[in-house]
Amino acid sequence: GNSVTQMEGPVTLSEEAFLTINCTYTATGYPSLFWYVQYPGEGLQLLLKATKADDKGSNKGFEATYRKETTSFHLEKGSVQVSDSAVYFCALMRNYGGSQGNLIFGKGTKLSVKP
Amino acid sequence: DTEVTQTPKHLVMGMTNKKSLKCEQHMGHRAMYWYKQKAKKPPELMFVYSYEKLSINESVPSRFSPECPNSSLLNLHLHALQPEDSALYLCASSQAAGQGNLNTIYFGEGSWLTVV
Repeated sequence: GNSVTQMEGPVTLSEEAFLTINCTYTATGYPSLFWYVQYPGEGLQLLLKATKADDKGSNKGFEATYRKETTSFHLEKGSVQVSDSAVYFCALMRNYGGSQGNLIFGKGTKLSVKP
Repeated sequence: DTEVTQTPKHLVMGMTNKKSLKCEQHMGHRAMYWYKQKAKKPPELMFVYSYEKLSINESVPSRFSPECPNSSLLNLHLHALQPEDSALYLCASSQAAGQGNLNTIYFGEGSWLTVV
């Protein structure tokens, strides 16, 4: 079946450190891949996405590349800020027979950035 | 504009109460969703509406009753809930099959529900 595995948190970094959050997936066919971010007390915001192999999604300094050969979609940022503290969810889009998509989420990784 | 608006933001209800959560989007999306999120867990799908018809019910108890009165609105009617139903309820929307690019789901800010 379809599933997403992402690294266990919490991850604690100092400001301006490099961030990597690993995400791997299992899926039939060719899913779309997403990173969502959830700031404390808020809903989910789409951070970035990629719809086919070798696509790179990017937004707000975050990047992730769809790697079909390693079934991965790791999230990276070169220099994190305190305001990046949040929970990050990796997800893939599952299709119900092509009629409507749905998201399969990883368990989430909590990131805390210290000044 | 990628906004999904949910009301109320916070709701406290007793186990015998009847209340409703409301969701609205004006992105022209014809697919709308309800998700439930418990603390420190990812969201779990509850219902999907496509073109105002219920297309997916993920075996949700009947004390949760969804309604899609038109293409912009989605409600979740709540009755006889249990304390374990306390959670963040997220509404979301996307384009539906036949609208084109259906592969991105946008979420609202959520409604925090506490059942006492």
